[in-house]
Amino acid sequence: KNEVEQSPQNLTAQEGEFITINCSYSVGISALHWLQQHPGGGIVSLFMLSSGKKKHGRLIATINIQEKHSSLHITASHPRDSAVYICAVRTNSGGGADGLTFGKGTHLIIQP
Amino acid sequence: DAGVTQSPTHLIKTRGQQVTLRCSPISGHKSVSWYQQVLGQGPQFIFQYYEKEERGRGNFPDRFSARQFPNYSSELNVNALLLGDSALYLCASSRNPGYGYTFGSGTRLTVV
Repeated sequence: KNEVEQSPQNLTAQEGEFITINCSYSVGISALHWLQQHPGGGIVSLFMLSSGKKKHGRLIATINIQEKHSSLHITASHPRDSAVYICAVRTNSGGGADGLTFGKGTHLIIQP
Repeated sequence: DAGVTQSPTHLIKTRGQQVTLRCSPISGHKSVSWYQQVLGQGPQFIFQYYEKEERGRGNFPDRFSARQFPNYSSELNVNALLLGDSALYLCASSRNPGYGYTFGSGTRLTVV
């Protein structure tokens, strides 16, 4: 079982719809990242969370540490939001500096 | 301020050859991480360097090695290339391992 699970794997929606992407993890973490990857590979960091909720424009990210769960929401979705959204966690490594563990990503398509 | 730059952007190598990938972090960022992303999968952690020392290593064979230079740029070396090494190699930098990451656009390596 992957340490980081995302759902859904694929999501197609109409422009304007409210989008929710979920991420569950099974390890202790010090931070959770939401990333956006467009075709061609470039990754953009959207949020880094360790608790609570963050908002940036139409994007909202929440995390529940007790339930080991995070959600990324997109309000008033637009075709330019079409991308792969990846959840990644930085684990509690007890002093070492480990890299991120990634989910497999959610492929989002917003149709006009 | 320039972002994380990776070179080359694309590379084709033959099985058994060696390859060196380069990454220049954002000015002021002292931590560099390397990730391998196989088509259709989330990135996998390879190495993390901070202040020129290896701080973490993922589950990759010894054919993979890296180093960080005094100017905090980094190189990833892969020896004895296999077809399965074909992937997008991503570099990410941060001020230190606990901060948010900025990703480069990646080097797409094809092994034939």
